[in-house]
Amino acid sequence: GQNIDQPTEMTATEGAIVQINCTYQTSGFNGLFWYQQHAGEAPTFLSYNVLDGLEEKGRFSSFLSRSKGYSYLLLKELQMKDSASYLCAVRDIDYQLIWGAGTKLIIKP
Amino acid sequence: DGGITQSPKYLFRKEGQNVTLSCEQNLNHDAMYWYRQDPGQGLRLIYYSQIVNDFQKGDIAEGYSVSREKKESFPLTVTSAQKNPTAFYLCASSIGQRHNEKLFFGSGTQLSVL
Repeated sequence: GQNIDQPTEMTATEGAIVQINCTYQTSGFNGLFWYQQHAGEAPTFLSYNVLDGLEEKGRFSSFLSRSKGYSYLLLKELQMKDSASYLCAVRDIDYQLIWGAGTKLIIKP
Repeated sequence: DGGITQSPKYLFRKEGQNVTLSCEQNLNHDAMYWYRQDPGQGLRLIYYSQIVNDFQKGDIAEGYSVSREKKESFPLTVTSAQKNPTAFYLCASSIGQRHNEKLFFGSGTQLSVL
């Protein structure tokens, strides 16, 4: 079966750095997405990786290793507004999206 | 501003009742999707549509129905056959399903059973 694993919850301190991991086992691979979702709101797109390596976008970076079936989202200079759930999704061989359950990130002052 | 509008924000269903969730987009996107979100689970695809007057079942289509009569609109009906409808429902759109395109989501509808 197809599977995406993420930690359920993480806690970090304002101003610090946090890394949210995502491991996947899917039928083929056509890209990996990260979305941010504040409670009760719409998920919003953060990043997309299809080749190995690091993609940097401001305070957020995303890394992919296809051989290891692994990605992480790195958040720097954490702000209180970064408290949200972070969803990892992989597009499989049929271009269908497989979603992880999300990681709830709690930022403490 | 372009975007996706879902309504209502909250909806309550009685036993044996059908309810319809609205989803409208003005992004001129071809593809539209309905997802169900339950606590502790990943998003699950209910139905999707790539063009007007055509739609396909997702992973959990039983107890749901959709229509795509206009490019802008993709309403979801939760029928009485759906025995566990309580969930957060998200509508999304993308330029095309086979493109490397991100999804744009609506703000969701929380459906509860009375």
